[in-house]
Amino acid sequence: DGGITQSPKYLFRKEGQNVTLSCEQNLNHDAMYWYRQDPGQGLRLIYYSQIVNDFQKGDIAEGYSVSREKKESFPLTVTSAQKNPTAFYLCASRYRGPVNTEAFFGQGTRLTVV
Amino acid sequence: AQKITQTQPGMFVQEKEAVTLDCTYDTSDPSYGLFWYKQPSSGEMIFLIYQGSYDQQNATEGRYSLNFQKARKSANLVISASQLGDSAMYFCAMRRDTGANSKLTFGKGITLSVRP
Repeated sequence: DGGITQSPKYLFRKEGQNVTLSCEQNLNHDAMYWYRQDPGQGLRLIYYSQIVNDFQKGDIAEGYSVSREKKESFPLTVTSAQKNPTAFYLCASRYRGPVNTEAFFGQGTRLTVV
Repeated sequence: AQKITQTQPGMFVQEKEAVTLDCTYDTSDPSYGLFWYKQPSSGEMIFLIYQGSYDQQNATEGRYSLNFQKARKSANLVISASQLGDSAMYFCAMRRDTGANSKLTFGKGITLSVRP
């Protein structure tokens, strides 16, 4: 079945450590996105990529990094520079076409700093 | 810049009744798309319905319909015949219709609880 897979579902990190969240899709979508969700804040865009080897900062990119070496994969690294990394992280992808093409989301990764 | 506003507090509806979830938006772009997503407690985002800024008719998808009032910049979601499984967070989102910018901007969401 086609879809987006995020792993792991739950992740615990010690302060000062970098951690990488995985996002893989087999939908042949060009565009991929990372969102952060905090209670009462909705979804905020961290990074997005429209083609391989290219990505742009979203609204809250500080303390995060990404890569897009393959069309199917868009990993997100939460660095030690991110001051408050505890949150729910959602990855999405969409066909890079008309405005009416919806984004498909993964199941999310809940990151907790301990 | 784009902005989506969802200001309703937690909403409650009796099973089998209809409910309207409000969404207003702000954009200077003439062409854009509006989306509604549902997020159950499990966390995944489920696409519900889409409305284009130039669509002449309000969008409908099964029990979901969109009350689109372009002049007022509102795109309210109407859920008819509510079911217990409709209890979730609902997000309104907007995308500009430009090839170079495919960002999807979300509102803060509304919590809907369906009472038996």
